[in-house]
Amino acid sequence: GQNIDQPTEMTATEGAIVQINCTYQTSGFNGLFWYQQHAGEAPTFLSYNVLDGLEEKGRFSSFLSRSKGYSYLLLKELQMKDSASYLCAVRDRGTDKLIFGTGTRLQVFP
Amino acid sequence: ETGVTQTPRHLVMGMTNKKSLKCEQHLGHNAMYWYKQSAKKPLELMFVYNFKEQTENNSVPSRFSPECPNSSHLFLHLHTLQPEDSALYLCASSQAGLAATGELFFGEGSRLTVL
Repeated sequence: GQNIDQPTEMTATEGAIVQINCTYQTSGFNGLFWYQQHAGEAPTFLSYNVLDGLEEKGRFSSFLSRSKGYSYLLLKELQMKDSASYLCAVRDRGTDKLIFGTGTRLQVFP
Repeated sequence: ETGVTQTPRHLVMGMTNKKSLKCEQHLGHNAMYWYKQSAKKPLELMFVYNFKEQTENNSVPSRFSPECPNSSHLFLHLHTLQPEDSALYLCASSQAGLAATGELFFGEGSRLTVL
């Protein structure tokens, strides 16, 4: 079966660093995605990991460990506009579908 | 026009009504999707079309009927819905194929309320 777990809510302070974790179980892994979704808006692509290690893109970084079924999204120098939901999604090798977690709602406070 | 556009953005309908949601993508992609997003639940895949052919129906009730006349347009026809069908319906597109990452490009969604 397939299962993706991530925390429901997190809070952080402007300027700080926050790490959003995602663990997954899938019968066949073919990549992990992170999406950002502001309230009332479309999810937008943040990062894609298919090999182990860290991918850095500006203030955002994403890490993957396939052996542990684990990923995290790291947000540095938090800004108020980073308040959003962050969706972890795994691409299943067999079906080629993206399976989403419930999302982590991040609130950034001044 | 760029990206993925959905209309209407908001829709309120009674259980006996018939309505349709429309999605259009201007990205040259060959795969299109309907997802349902309910509060505190993961995005649920409903339908997948590859090159206009339906390749996935994720056990969706027949009161939801998709239509894909070409690779740029996708519809979701709605009839005799239930209040529990109230949700945000998201359309997405991607470039299908083994070389593609499968990254999805989403529209802003149609917020549906069934009374």
